[in-house]
Amino acid sequence: GENVEQHPSTLSVQEGDSAVIKCTYSDSASNYFPWYKQELGKRPQLIIDIRSNVGEKKDQRIAVTLNKTAKHFSLHITETQPEDSAVYFCAASIKGNDYKLSFGAGTTVTVRA
Amino acid sequence: SAVISQKPSRDICQRGTSLTIQCQVDSQVTMMFWYRQQPGQSLTLIATANQGSEATYESGFVIDKFPISRPNLTFSTLTVSNMSPEDSSIYLCSESTSSTDTQYFGPGTRLTVL
Repeated sequence: GENVEQHPSTLSVQEGDSAVIKCTYSDSASNYFPWYKQELGKRPQLIIDIRSNVGEKKDQRIAVTLNKTAKHFSLHITETQPEDSAVYFCAASIKGNDYKLSFGAGTTVTVRA
Repeated sequence: SAVISQKPSRDICQRGTSLTIQCQVDSQVTMMFWYRQQPGQSLTLIATANQGSEATYESGFVIDKFPISRPNLTFSTLTVSNMSPEDSSIYLCSESTSSTDTQYFGPGTRLTVL
């Protein structure tokens, strides 16, 4: 099955700086890559996603890039704010595989004021 | 996205007992899934809840331990059977519609087994 690796496991950044989280996947048939943010005690919330026919997608301060050849995708958060502190999970799924998601191990992001 | 609710939100149970978790979606959805999130860990898919038929389980999960029902397009249950302390986790349901592979999660059920 699909194997998703996520780095780093923890990330501490100064408020206003950028944060980058990287994920790699193993199955070249994967074509959907969502990112979830999970605050303490809360459910995972979808913050952005990208499909394999697109190389980059932006939504305000967050962006995701996809390199299909290298089988990796990254989350970029610019101008970080204290409310960006959370655990972030990347995931991958294969179209036609009943939309089943394989998750990375997660990155704990701490934004220092 | 659909509004998803789960009951109970949390429970403390004795080992050897069983707990049934309910997941309700406010609109008809194609796919419903059950995940486990152990303390400090990522999400692991337990099974896909199929409407009107047996669930599809992932490797390492079996129907005897995690029986699942999905009687219609808006409701599913997950039972954690014969519980042990190792079953202490957050259990989350999620939904997806056929027009997109986007998944949204319920609020989760925090289970503690003593």
